[in-house]
Amino acid sequence: DAMVIQNPRYQVTQFGKPVTLSCSQTLNHNVMYWYQQKSSQAPKLLFHYYDKDFNNEADTPDNFQSRRPNTSFCFLDIRSPGLGDAAMYLCATSREGTGLSPLHFGNGTRLTVT
Amino acid sequence: GIQVEQSPPDLILQEGANSTLRCNFSDSVNNLQWFHQNPWGQLINLFYIPSGTKQNGRLSATTVATERYSLLYISSSQTTDSGVYFCAVDRDSGYSTLTFGKGTMLLVSP
Repeated sequence: DAMVIQNPRYQVTQFGKPVTLSCSQTLNHNVMYWYQQKSSQAPKLLFHYYDKDFNNEADTPDNFQSRRPNTSFCFLDIRSPGLGDAAMYLCATSREGTGLSPLHFGNGTRLTVT
Repeated sequence: GIQVEQSPPDLILQEGANSTLRCNFSDSVNNLQWFHQNPWGQLINLFYIPSGTKQNGRLSATTVATERYSLLYISSSQTTDSGVYFCAVDRDSGYSTLTFGKGTMLLVSP
């Protein structure tokens, strides 16, 4: 089945130690998104790629970076994780923008910062 | 920006009961989507419904775009329906993104 795959499911990192989360998709969708979700909150968009065009949300900290080397893969880099960055990180895709097509989420990576 | 309000914030049901979740939005939208997040954190897209009514099994949704609201109906609820239901809207058809409501947390007890 075509899907959005995130690895790993759980990630533990140390305070200040860089970490990379990965996402791949077999849907061949143009748009890929990274969301951060903390307990009892709605997902919060960090950034998204429309094809190769990168779109950063205004309030996304500089500590968060992203790479999309090809259509299928997208990475979230946290350069110096703090305790406040512990959260569920959700990758999602849509065929076109969400004004025109459904959003499909991966299973998420739950990040713990020790 | 656009405001999305969901009600009720929490809901407890007995298995087999029916329920209606509501989503109000403050401005015209190009699209509206309903999601279910299960207790393990997985988010599933239930409906892509900018207007009209759609049904999928025991779930159905209606969006009245001119009156700026959408309703999600759950009939004959099951324990597996438990979780958080999010409504999200998109104002544009271009490079815009979804604005999420705060969600309705549903607990279905056996």
